[in-house]
Amino acid sequence: SSGLTQDPAVSVALGQTVRITCQGDSLRNYYTNWYQQKPGQAPVLVIFGKGDRPSGIPDRFSGSSSEDTASLTITGAQAEDEADYYCNSRDNNGNPVFFGGGTKLTVL
Amino acid sequence: QVQLVQSGAEVKKPGSSVMVSCKASGVSFDSYAINWVRQAPGQGLEYMGGIIPIFGTTDYAQKFQGRVALTADGSSSTAYMELRNLRSEDTAVYYCATVPLYSTVYFDYWGQGTLVTVSS
Repeated sequence: SSGLTQDPAVSVALGQTVRITCQGDSLRNYYTNWYQQKPGQAPVLVIFGKGDRPSGIPDRFSGSSSEDTASLTITGAQAEDEADYYCNSRDNNGNPVFFGGGTKLTVL
Repeated sequence: QVQLVQSGAEVKKPGSSVMVSCKASGVSFDSYAINWVRQAPGQGLEYMGGIIPIFGTTDYAQKFQGRVALTADGSSSTAYMELRNLRSEDTAVYYCATVPLYSTVYFDYWGQGTLVTVSS
Protein backbone atom coordinates (compact mmCIF):
# COMPACT_ATOMS: atom_id res chain seq x y z
CA SER A 1 0.00 0.00 0.00
CA SER A 2 1.26 3.44 -0.93
CA GLY A 3 -0.44 5.17 1.99
CA LEU A 4 -2.34 7.45 -0.42
CA THR A 5 -6.00 6.59 -0.66
CA GLN A 6 -8.31 7.63 -3.49
CA ASP A 7 -11.91 6.74 -4.23
CA PRO A 8 -11.88 4.20 -7.07
CA ALA A 9 -14.58 5.94 -9.09
CA VAL A 10 -16.39 9.26 -9.20
CA SER A 11 -18.97 10.60 -11.62
CA VAL A 12 -20.07 14.11 -12.50
CA ALA A 13 -22.72 15.59 -14.75
CA LEU A 14 -21.44 17.56 -17.71
CA GLY A 15 -20.72 21.15 -16.69
CA GLN A 16 -20.90 20.47 -12.98
CA THR A 17 -18.13 20.60 -10.39
CA VAL A 18 -16.39 17.52 -9.07
CA ARG A 19 -13.82 17.01 -6.34
CA ILE A 20 -11.40 14.09 -6.35
CA THR A 21 -9.65 13.45 -3.07
CA CYS A 22 -6.41 11.85 -1.93
CA GLN A 23 -5.82 11.00 1.71
CA GLY A 24 -2.60 10.12 3.50
CA ASP A 25 -0.54 11.08 6.53
CA SER A 26 2.38 12.29 4.41
CA LEU A 27 0.16 14.93 2.84
CA ARG A 28 0.40 16.90 6.08
CA ASN A 29 4.04 17.59 5.22
CA TYR A 30 4.42 17.37 1.45
CA TYR A 31 2.76 18.80 -1.61
CA THR A 32 0.44 16.67 -3.70
CA ASN A 33 0.61 16.42 -7.44
CA TRP A 34 -2.15 15.27 -9.77
CA TYR A 35 -2.02 13.46 -13.08
CA GLN A 36 -4.66 12.76 -15.69
CA GLN A 37 -4.42 9.57 -17.72
CA LYS A 38 -6.65 8.68 -20.63
CA PRO A 39 -6.84 5.13 -22.00
CA GLY A 40 -3.74 4.10 -23.90
CA GLN A 41 -1.91 7.33 -23.12
CA ALA A 42 0.84 8.42 -20.78
CA PRO A 43 -0.14 10.40 -17.69
CA VAL A 44 -0.25 14.17 -17.91
CA LEU A 45 0.59 16.47 -15.01
CA VAL A 46 -2.37 18.74 -14.23
CA ILE A 47 -1.56 20.14 -10.78
CA PHE A 48 1.73 20.35 -8.90
CA GLY A 49 3.22 21.92 -5.82
CA LYS A 50 1.06 24.44 -4.06
CA GLY A 51 -1.70 24.05 -6.61
CA ASP A 52 0.06 25.26 -9.73
CA ARG A 53 -1.04 24.31 -13.22
CA PRO A 54 1.44 23.50 -15.98
CA SER A 55 1.19 25.48 -19.14
CA GLY A 56 -1.72 24.32 -21.27
CA ILE A 57 -3.84 22.93 -18.45
CA PRO A 58 -7.26 24.62 -18.35
CA ASP A 59 -8.01 26.78 -15.35
CA ARG A 60 -11.06 24.66 -14.51
CA PHE A 61 -8.52 22.36 -12.81
CA SER A 62 -7.47 23.43 -9.33
CA GLY A 63 -5.79 21.85 -6.35
CA SER A 64 -6.03 22.34 -2.62
CA SER A 65 -5.00 20.62 0.56
CA SER A 66 -6.06 20.48 4.19
CA GLU A 67 -4.50 18.39 6.91
CA ASP A 68 -4.06 14.88 5.48
CA THR A 69 -6.31 15.30 2.45
CA ALA A 70 -5.58 16.83 -0.93
CA SER A 71 -8.24 17.62 -3.50
CA LEU A 72 -8.37 18.07 -7.22
CA THR A 73 -11.39 20.12 -8.26
CA ILE A 74 -12.72 20.37 -11.79
CA THR A 75 -15.10 23.30 -12.09
CA GLY A 76 -17.41 22.81 -15.05
CA ALA A 77 -16.36 19.31 -16.06
CA GLN A 78 -16.10 18.64 -19.78
CA ALA A 79 -16.49 15.38 -21.66
CA GLU A 80 -12.76 15.36 -22.37
CA ASP A 81 -12.04 15.34 -18.64
CA GLU A 82 -13.22 11.74 -18.42
CA ALA A 83 -10.05 9.90 -17.39
CA ASP A 84 -8.19 8.29 -14.53
CA TYR A 85 -6.68 10.69 -12.03
CA TYR A 86 -3.73 9.87 -9.81
CA CYS A 87 -2.29 11.78 -6.87
CA ASN A 88 1.32 11.49 -5.80
CA SER A 89 3.53 12.70 -3.00
CA ARG A 90 6.41 11.61 -0.86
CA ASP A 91 6.12 9.24 2.07
CA ASN A 92 6.66 10.43 5.61
CA ASN A 93 10.36 9.64 5.46
CA GLY A 94 10.74 12.11 2.65
CA ASN A 95 11.46 9.36 0.15
CA PRO A 96 9.86 9.72 -3.19
CA VAL A 97 7.50 8.70 -4.39
CA PHE A 98 4.09 7.23 -4.00
CA PHE A 99 0.98 7.27 -6.11
CA GLY A 100 -2.56 6.88 -5.01
CA GLY A 101 -4.54 4.01 -6.48
CA GLY A 102 -6.28 6.28 -8.96
CA THR A 103 -9.82 7.57 -9.43
CA LYS A 104 -11.81 6.86 -12.57
CA LEU A 105 -13.82 9.95 -13.44
CA THR A 106 -16.93 9.50 -15.53
CA VAL A 107 -18.59 12.57 -17.06
CA LEU A 108 -22.29 11.89 -17.52
CA GLN B 1 9.38 21.37 -26.88
CA VAL B 2 10.30 18.62 -24.44
CA GLN B 3 10.09 15.09 -25.80
CA LEU B 4 10.96 11.80 -24.19
CA VAL B 5 11.12 8.98 -26.72
CA GLN B 6 11.32 5.45 -25.40
CA SER B 7 12.45 2.26 -27.05
CA GLY B 8 9.98 -0.22 -28.49
CA ALA B 9 7.97 -3.03 -27.00
CA GLU B 10 9.76 -6.12 -25.70
CA VAL B 11 8.80 -9.74 -25.10
CA LYS B 12 10.98 -11.53 -22.60
CA LYS B 13 11.25 -14.92 -20.94
CA PRO B 14 11.00 -15.30 -17.17
CA GLY B 15 14.40 -14.97 -15.54
CA SER B 16 15.84 -12.79 -18.28
CA SER B 17 16.55 -9.03 -18.27
CA VAL B 18 15.19 -6.09 -20.21
CA MET B 19 16.65 -2.67 -20.89
CA VAL B 20 14.44 0.25 -21.84
CA SER B 21 15.87 3.51 -23.13
CA CYS B 22 14.51 7.02 -22.89
CA LYS B 23 15.95 9.73 -25.14
CA ALA B 24 15.28 13.31 -24.13
CA SER B 25 15.15 16.33 -26.40
CA GLY B 26 14.26 19.93 -25.70
CA VAL B 27 15.41 19.57 -22.11
CA SER B 28 18.75 19.86 -20.42
CA PHE B 29 19.93 16.82 -18.52
CA ASP B 30 21.59 19.29 -16.15
CA SER B 31 18.22 20.46 -14.91
CA TYR B 32 16.31 17.23 -14.46
CA ALA B 33 16.20 13.87 -12.85
CA ILE B 34 14.86 11.01 -14.93
CA ASN B 35 12.46 8.77 -13.11
CA TRP B 36 10.78 5.51 -14.03
CA VAL B 37 7.19 4.53 -13.35
CA ARG B 38 5.43 1.37 -14.42
CA GLN B 39 1.81 0.38 -14.90
CA ALA B 40 0.64 -3.22 -14.99
CA PRO B 41 -2.39 -3.96 -17.18
CA GLY B 42 -5.50 -2.41 -15.67
CA GLN B 43 -3.56 -1.24 -12.63
CA GLY B 44 -2.28 2.03 -11.21
CA LEU B 45 1.06 3.80 -11.39
CA GLU B 46 4.06 2.44 -9.51
CA TYR B 47 7.27 4.35 -8.87
CA MET B 48 10.45 2.41 -9.54
CA GLY B 49 13.26 4.87 -9.06
CA GLY B 50 15.17 7.78 -10.48
CA ILE B 51 18.57 9.04 -11.53
CA ILE B 52 20.10 12.50 -11.53
CA PRO B 53 22.27 12.36 -14.65
CA ILE B 54 24.62 15.22 -13.81
CA PHE B 55 25.56 13.59 -10.50
CA GLY B 56 24.98 9.95 -11.42
CA THR B 57 23.08 9.45 -8.19
CA THR B 58 20.23 7.00 -8.07
CA ASP B 59 17.25 6.27 -5.86
CA TYR B 60 15.32 3.05 -6.00
CA ALA B 61 11.96 2.14 -4.54
CA GLN B 62 12.44 -0.52 -1.92
CA LYS B 63 10.45 -3.06 -3.91
CA PHE B 64 12.94 -2.92 -6.80
CA GLN B 65 16.21 -2.67 -4.85
CA GLY B 66 18.71 -5.11 -6.28
CA ARG B 67 16.72 -5.90 -9.38
CA VAL B 68 16.69 -2.58 -11.24
CA ALA B 69 19.57 -0.48 -12.47
CA LEU B 70 19.24 3.06 -13.76
CA THR B 71 21.91 4.70 -15.85
CA ALA B 72 22.19 7.79 -18.01
CA ASP B 73 24.40 9.01 -20.84
CA GLY B 74 24.59 12.78 -20.83
CA SER B 75 26.33 12.92 -24.19
CA SER B 76 23.27 11.45 -25.89
CA SER B 77 20.66 12.67 -23.37
CA THR B 78 19.51 9.10 -22.94
CA ALA B 79 18.51 7.30 -19.77
CA TYR B 80 18.26 3.55 -19.35
CA MET B 81 16.33 1.25 -17.07
CA GLU B 82 17.41 -2.36 -16.73
CA LEU B 83 15.16 -4.79 -14.89
CA ARG B 84 16.64 -8.18 -14.10
CA ASN B 85 15.26 -11.58 -13.21
CA LEU B 86 11.96 -10.88 -14.89
CA ARG B 87 8.78 -12.56 -13.75
CA SER B 88 5.28 -12.59 -15.19
CA GLU B 89 4.14 -9.89 -12.78
CA ASP B 90 6.67 -7.51 -14.36
CA THR B 91 4.47 -7.37 -17.45
CA ALA B 92 3.64 -3.69 -17.64
CA VAL B 93 4.04 -0.44 -19.49
CA TYR B 94 7.20 1.30 -18.34
CA TYR B 95 7.38 5.08 -18.46
CA CYS B 96 10.24 7.49 -18.03
CA ALA B 97 9.46 10.95 -16.74
CA THR B 98 11.38 14.10 -15.92
CA VAL B 99 11.50 15.65 -12.47
CA PRO B 100 12.91 19.17 -12.25
CA LEU B 101 15.86 19.49 -9.91
CA TYR B 102 15.69 21.83 -6.97
CA SER B 103 11.93 21.77 -6.80
CA THR B 104 9.20 19.72 -5.26
CA VAL B 105 9.05 16.25 -6.74
CA TYR B 106 6.63 16.07 -9.62
CA PHE B 107 6.74 14.34 -12.99
CA ASP B 108 6.27 17.01 -15.60
CA TYR B 109 7.10 15.29 -18.89
CA TRP B 110 6.51 11.65 -19.72
CA GLY B 111 7.68 9.26 -22.39
CA GLN B 112 5.17 7.40 -24.51
CA GLY B 113 5.66 4.19 -22.55
CA THR B 114 7.23 0.84 -23.40
CA LEU B 115 5.26 -2.37 -23.06
CA VAL B 116 7.30 -5.19 -21.60
CA THR B 117 5.64 -8.60 -21.75
CA VAL B 118 7.12 -11.43 -19.70
CA SER B 119 5.95 -14.80 -20.89
CA SER B 120 7.33 -18.29 -21.27
